[in-house]
Amino acid sequence: GQQVMQIPQYQHVQEGEDFTTYCNSSTTLSNIQWYKQRPGGHPVFLIQLVKSGEVKKQKRLTFQFGEAKKNSSLHITATQTTDVGTYFCAGWDNYGQNFVFGPGTRLSVLP
Amino acid sequence: DAGITQSPRYKITETGRQVTLMCHQTWSHSYMFWYRQDLGHGLRLIYYSAAADITDKGEVSDGYVVSRSKTENFPLTLESATRSQTSVYFCASSESGVNTEAFFGQGTRLTVV
Repeated sequence: GQQVMQIPQYQHVQEGEDFTTYCNSSTTLSNIQWYKQRPGGHPVFLIQLVKSGEVKKQKRLTFQFGEAKKNSSLHITATQTTDVGTYFCAGWDNYGQNFVFGPGTRLSVLP
Repeated sequence: DAGITQSPRYKITETGRQVTLMCHQTWSHSYMFWYRQDLGHGLRLIYYSAAADITDKGEVSDGYVVSRSKTENFPLTLESATRSQTSVYFCASSESGVNTEAFFGQGTRLTVV
């Protein structure tokens, strides 16, 4: 079946350092969504990418959707303690007709 | 207040008992979803509903039942709870399906002993 993987599983950074998480799917996705979940909280939608090669920015966050629509990345510039949480990618697999979340990357930011 | 609310927030039940988790949204969103979240698995879709009286199975639907008699409510029932169903359950809603932004409830932490 379709699998969505994220690397790394955990990342510890010093405040001010950059951070990147990668999302890889075994099949082509029609879209990719990114969510953030603070410790003890619920997932909160960040963004959706639809087009091949699409790049979107939200302040210090940059999101990319790969040309083959099988991978995506989230890059945070100059992390802050408010960035702490788990970042999930999710997407719709047209072949399997299933909406799948990746396992997430947990980010810790040391002040 | 507008939004999506789940109840209860915490529940402990015994193996074999029937348990119902409630979900209510005030946005009149067409789509509603139930996910379970377990360490190492992210969120897995249990069931979703495109409208009142329309429901579809997700990735991990065995052992669960849903209903949607009203647009705003989407209860999830564990017919005979098992320990493997110990998890955090999230309800979500969206205007038009899995390809649009989903809004999540606060979650229900269920422990089956």
